[in-house]
Amino acid sequence: ILNVEQSPQSLHVQEGDSTNFTCSFPSSNFYALHWYRWETAKSPEALFVMTLNGDEKKKGRISATLNTKEGYSYLYIKGSQPEDSATYLCALIQGAQKLVFGQGTRLTINP
Amino acid sequence: NAGVTQTPKFRVLKTGQSMTLLCAQDMNHEYMYWYRQDPGMGLRLIHYSVGEGTTAKGEVPDGYNVSRLKKQNFLLGLESAAPSQTSVYFCATGQLNTEAFFGQGTRLTVV
Repeated sequence: ILNVEQSPQSLHVQEGDSTNFTCSFPSSNFYALHWYRWETAKSPEALFVMTLNGDEKKKGRISATLNTKEGYSYLYIKGSQPEDSATYLCALIQGAQKLVFGQGTRLTINP
Repeated sequence: NAGVTQTPKFRVLKTGQSMTLLCAQDMNHEYMYWYRQDPGMGLRLIHYSVGEGTTAKGEVPDGYNVSRLKKQNFLLGLESAAPSQTSVYFCATGQLNTEAFFGQGTRLTVV
């Protein structure tokens, strides 16, 4: 069974602070790693798709890195804003296009 | 362009009843997925399909069946609903090396 772990499970950050969280996964048979942002009462929306070891992606104040050899990815948010409050999900494709999600990190930005 | 559409949006079932959830996509994507979302457990993969006529089991397939007779539709069936199947169900679609796109979710309550 594929095991995607995210930490921490929840995080409270002051507005303006930067933060980061982790996605860990089995490094064998890696195919791709996805990051999604999920707001309450909405559907998840993609942030990044990463396929190569050493990949770094950036979208505005949010960026992500990938280490497939050691099996982890970091998501960074710079200068957190209240609208960044959401659950952040990572998901792994490990061959055969099976997309399996971690439990998510719930981020709350305190004004 | 509707994207990914789930039918119905809400449903209440009695224990033992059966029903089918429909996921329809107009994005011509090969891969389709059914997930369930429960508090504190993120998105868990029920079944998925990598193409028309193919299906495969995910992490929590018991009690569910699926069919992909047409490329654009992925059906999730509950033959005999149980209270443990009370959940929010999400369908997603994707292509090789691209992000997944989600439907709006179906809230199912089994009483």
